[in-house]
Amino acid sequence: AQTVTQSQPEMSVQEAETVTLSCTYDTSESDYYLFWYKQPPSRQMILVIRQEAYKQQNATENRFSVNFQKAAKSFSLKISDSQLGDAAMYFCAYRIHNTDKLIFGTGTRLQVFP
Amino acid sequence: NAGVTQTPKFRILKIGQSMTLQCAQDMNHNYMYWYRQDPGMGLKLIYYSVGAGITDKGEVPNGYNVSRSTTEDFPLRLELAAPSQTSVYFCASSSPGVGSPLHFGNGTRLTVT
Repeated sequence: AQTVTQSQPEMSVQEAETVTLSCTYDTSESDYYLFWYKQPPSRQMILVIRQEAYKQQNATENRFSVNFQKAAKSFSLKISDSQLGDAAMYFCAYRIHNTDKLIFGTGTRLQVFP
Repeated sequence: NAGVTQTPKFRILKIGQSMTLQCAQDMNHNYMYWYRQDPGMGLKLIYYSVGAGITDKGEVPNGYNVSRSTTEDFPLRLELAAPSQTSVYFCASSSPGVGSPLHFGNGTRLTVT
C-alpha cells in the first residue's frame, strides 16, 4: 500500500527560528513527485514546495526548503525565519508517475509563538 | 480567473437525505479530484477523473457517486447521507503530469445529523 507518514501531530517554533517537519513515504516506484501543502485556518490548501524524485538537489522556495533522502524515503520540510503567518497544518503528499492520485499524510499542526 | 469553485460552503443534512456538491474549474484542467478531510486528519481521495466521461474510485468511494460530462464540472453526489459522511469536502484540479500540483477549492463543510 502506498502510504505517507507524518509522525509529528504538532510542532511549535518561536518567531524567527527554524523548524523541521518530518515526512516518510512508502513506494516501490522510482518516478514520483513529493509535495508539501499548507492549510491555514482559512481551510485553503496552498502548495508550499515540490520535489522531483529524480533530482538529487533539494528544492528551495524562499524560506522553505526540503531535505530529500530518496534511499530512506524521507522528505522533511525546513522553515527558516519562521513567521506568525506560517502557523498552519502542513501536509506531505506524493504522486507516482502513471497514476493520477495525490496521496496525503495526516498532517502536522505548526504553532508559531512571538 | 476564479480557479476551482465549490458550492455550497456549508450544508447540514438529515440522515437519509441526498445532495450534490458542485465543483467547477476554469483552468481547462483535464484532471479533477474529490477529497474528504475528517477532523484532525489528512485528505482521503473519494473519486477522480482524468477527463470528460472518465471517472475512477479513490480510497473511500462508498456512499458517493460522480459524473464528468464536461471538462469544467465534476459534481459529487451523496446518496442516503450518514453521520459518517460528516466532513469537509475538497475539490481539486490539475494538468496531466506527475509534477503538476493540484489546485484546490475552498471546501464544503458538510454535517449529517
